[in-house]
Amino acid sequence: GAVVSQHPSWVICKSGTSVKIECRSLDFQATTMFWYRQFPKQSLMLMATSNEGSKATYEQGVEKDKFLINHASLTLSTLTVTSAHPEDSSFYICSAETGGSRTEAFFGQGTRLTVV
Amino acid sequence: GENVEQHPSTLSVQEGDSAVIKCTYSDSASNYFPWYKQELGKRPQLIIDIRSNVGEKKDQRIAVTLNKTAKHFSLHITETQPEDSAVYFCAASRDSWGKLQFGAGTQVVVTP
Repeated sequence: GAVVSQHPSWVICKSGTSVKIECRSLDFQATTMFWYRQFPKQSLMLMATSNEGSKATYEQGVEKDKFLINHASLTLSTLTVTSAHPEDSSFYICSAETGGSRTEAFFGQGTRLTVV
Repeated sequence: GENVEQHPSTLSVQEGDSAVIKCTYSDSASNYFPWYKQELGKRPQLIIDIRSNVGEKKDQRIAVTLNKTAKHFSLHITETQPEDSAVYFCAASRDSWGKLQFGAGTQVVVTP
């Protein structure tokens, strides 16, 4: 299947700092990527839809100024958690839609963010 | 927006028995229903999906059924094996493979 790579796999940061997470489609072009957040033992919650070359679309309740999304190329979307706080600690996962004959979404391996 | 409910939250089965997980959705316009398997700390893996123009789909030991009228769909795993132990999520979407509304998840434990 298609490969979506996410970096870093885990990160620990101090409260008040910012953290950038990268999501790359390695063997296909992804005009649309998605960012999800998953708290321990909970489901995946869609945070935003990232569209190449345009502004991201955020789900209700997600602060766009806190979770900055940039999708500057067809293979890379980034999520920056600004002024992180302990309650932002979570598992962040991106996914990308494939096109053509493969009509499904593939997930990155996820980033475990711990804010101390 | 779409709301997906999933039951049960935990499911313990004896190896070789069948497991059934059920989901309901609220948006009658949803037309794509994937099922994902997620192991602890790992990414979700698509195990099977169904589109609204199909009522049933099977892939070896896994099958999914869809009732559009009742707005519910189910995952069936037959001849369960210990490696089937994981959290399973259903999801629903309208016109998108990636913009998914997930159910709460089902922890499946298969005991030898």
